[in-house]
Amino acid sequence: QVQVVESGGGVVQPEMSLRLSCTASGFTFSSHSMHWVRQAPGKGLEWVALIWPDGTKKYYADSVKGRFTISRDNPNNTLYLQMNTLRAEDTAVYYCARDLGYSSGHSFDSWGQGTLVTVSS
Amino acid sequence: DIQMTQSPSSLSASVGDRVTITCRASQSISTFLNWYQQKPGKAPKLLIFAASSLQIGVPLGFSGSGSGTDFTLSISSLQPEDSATYYCQQSYSAPYTFGQGTKVEIK
Repeated sequence: QVQVVESGGGVVQPEMSLRLSCTASGFTFSSHSMHWVRQAPGKGLEWVALIWPDGTKKYYADSVKGRFTISRDNPNNTLYLQMNTLRAEDTAVYYCARDLGYSSGHSFDSWGQGTLVTVSS
Repeated sequence: DIQMTQSPSSLSASVGDRVTITCRASQSISTFLNWYQQKPGKAPKLLIFAASSLQIGVPLGFSGSGSGTDFTLSISSLQPEDSATYYCQQSYSAPYTFGQGTKVEIK
């Protein structure tokens, strides 16, 4: 079955870096755009970043532009989020999600369980 | 960026009630509007895509409508398991913004 599993979260000091991974299985990873979405404690969902199936196009929320980089390794079915210069306001559960594509309105049908990133000194 | 505004932010209704949540986009997004349900401690779950298409496996009591800037999510007969927070999301253009959420509670 379709599955995505995030990893790499943890506690990190402000200004430091962290890389999240998302391993996909049960579908043709290289055929789907992928997204990162985050949720701060007790808050709503915030879209973070998008990468096209072939990795040629990437888009970011203004709140992370210039600090975060989304990438993917299609042969190994893995999505990444490199997070640099972390701030306290980046503290959140980070989810990766599969994009169903144009015919399904670019909706997100498969989500991981999330990985918690805590930025604190 | 396209802003998404949901209303109400919370509601309380009885089992069997019809519930409606609205979502307004700051500009036209055609039908690139999706609805998600999230329960505490869980990942969001896709309910409705492309404004009105029911995701596979989602109960028929859920429905969506709208186009352009105004959209609604309806639950025809509220059930205890529908207690959750509901989010709209536009997928017309990046950044793919979410509404602030509507918390649905059972009286």
